[in-house]
Amino acid sequence: EAGVTQSPTHLIKTRGQQATLRCSPISGHTSVYWYQQALGLGLQFLLWYDEGEERNRGNFPPRFSGRQFPNYSSELNVNALELEDSALYLCASSLVPDRGHDYGYTFGSGTRLTVV
Amino acid sequence: AQTVTQSQPEMSVQEAETVTLSCTYDTSESDYYLFWYKQPPSRQMILVIRQEAYKQQNATENRFSVNFQKAAKSFSLKISDSQLGDAAMYFCAYRSTNFGNEKLTFGTGTRLTIIP
Repeated sequence: EAGVTQSPTHLIKTRGQQATLRCSPISGHTSVYWYQQALGLGLQFLLWYDEGEERNRGNFPPRFSGRQFPNYSSELNVNALELEDSALYLCASSLVPDRGHDYGYTFGSGTRLTVV
Repeated sequence: AQTVTQSQPEMSVQEAETVTLSCTYDTSESDYYLFWYKQPPSRQMILVIRQEAYKQQNATENRFSVNFQKAAKSFSLKISDSQLGDAAMYFCAYRSTNFGNEKLTFGTGTRLTIIP
């Protein structure tokens, strides 16, 4: 079974540009989560998509956005890039959470975004 | 909002010895999940162990076990018979059971070094 795949592996952008990161979940998983891992800050929750809808959003500005496609793959867009957006962006997928039940998350290997 | 604190940025242990990584968290919820994830240089987050808050019995997975103290909001990870492959960043994480808030909240991580 293929795991969660993210592309590209590395991305270098200039300040002010836009970045697009992609994530393909495990087959059968409908929920996709995005996390930002900046140096020394652990993982910060960005966005949660399920069945094509944004279900929850972390404390990030609106220039961080995304979408989920009918095949459950997802895209994270970061507009007007700033130097502090440089980080590892991790995607995770799971079955849709059930109240009181944890189905577990499977993470991808991330996209390393560098803003210069 | 929930917070997770890992107060040990770095730890080291001799191969075959035992090491304990600390984690504390803050929440007003009574039911939740706690996790330990491992992040090797490959960057992919790998689930090490999971604890359900309503279960008093500490979770165990082979050489990995936890000491879950709900009243103290403490969740430490014990690694027995440490192996070179255990070297990685270890993250403690919290997950609410409230519908719509199932995101993972991570600590800042502990870098574990195994000394041959």
